[in-house]
Amino acid sequence: AQKVTQAQTEISVVEKEDVTLDCVYETRDTTYYLFWYKQPPSGELVFLIRRNSFDEQNEISGRYSWNFQKSTSSFNFTITASQVVDSAVYFCALSEALWNRDDKIIFGKGTRLHILP
Amino acid sequence: DAMVIQNPRYQVTQFGKPVTLSCSQTLNHNVMYWYQQKSSQAPKLLFHYYDKDFNNEADTPDNFQSRRPNTSFCFLDIRSPGLGDAAMYLCATSTDRVNEQFFGPGTRLTVL
Repeated sequence: AQKVTQAQTEISVVEKEDVTLDCVYETRDTTYYLFWYKQPPSGELVFLIRRNSFDEQNEISGRYSWNFQKSTSSFNFTITASQVVDSAVYFCALSEALWNRDDKIIFGKGTRLHILP
Repeated sequence: DAMVIQNPRYQVTQFGKPVTLSCSQTLNHNVMYWYQQKSSQAPKLLFHYYDKDFNNEADTPDNFQSRRPNTSFCFLDIRSPGLGDAAMYLCATSTDRVNEQFFGPGTRLTVL
C-alpha cells in the first residue's frame, strides 16, 4: 500500500530563517506523482508543486525549492528566508498513475509551520 | 476569476438529519473530488467523478452519496449524519486525476 510520512508534526522558526519540511513516501508503483499543498489558516488547500516519478530534477520557485530523491524515497520542501505569511500546514501527497486501486491519492498528516516575527 | 465554490461554508445539522453540501466550478475541469478532513488530520478522499463516471473509495461509508448533474456542479449527500461525520468537507477539481487539484474553501459540518 502507498504511504506518505511527514515526520515533523510542527515546526517553529524565526522569520528569515530557512526551513525544510520532510516527506518520505512508499509505493510499489514505478510511475507515480508527488505533490505539495499549502493549507493556510483560512482552510483552502493551495497547490504548490507536482512531480512525476521520472523527473528527479530539483525545482526552485522564488523562495521555495524542492528536492526529489528516488534513492531515499523523499520529496523535501525548503523555504528560504521564511516569512510570516508562510505560516500554514503543508501537506505532501502521493498519487498513483492509473487510479484503479484503493488509496488512489494519499496525503501525509501535514506539518504545521509557524513563522515567528 | 475561475474558481471552486462551496456552499454553504458552515453547515449545522442534527444527528440523523440528511444534509447536502454543494460544490461548483468555473474551471471546466473533468474531475471533481470530495474529501473529508477532520481536525488536524490529512484530507481523505471519499469519492470522485471523472466526467460522469463515479468512483467510490472502498472505505467510504454508504451513508455518503454524491451526484454530479453536470460538469459544473457536484453534491455530497450525507443521508444520516452521525457525530463522527463532523468535519471539514473539501471539494476539488482537476483536468485529469494525476494533475494538480484546485480546492474550494470547504464546508465545515457540525452535527448536534
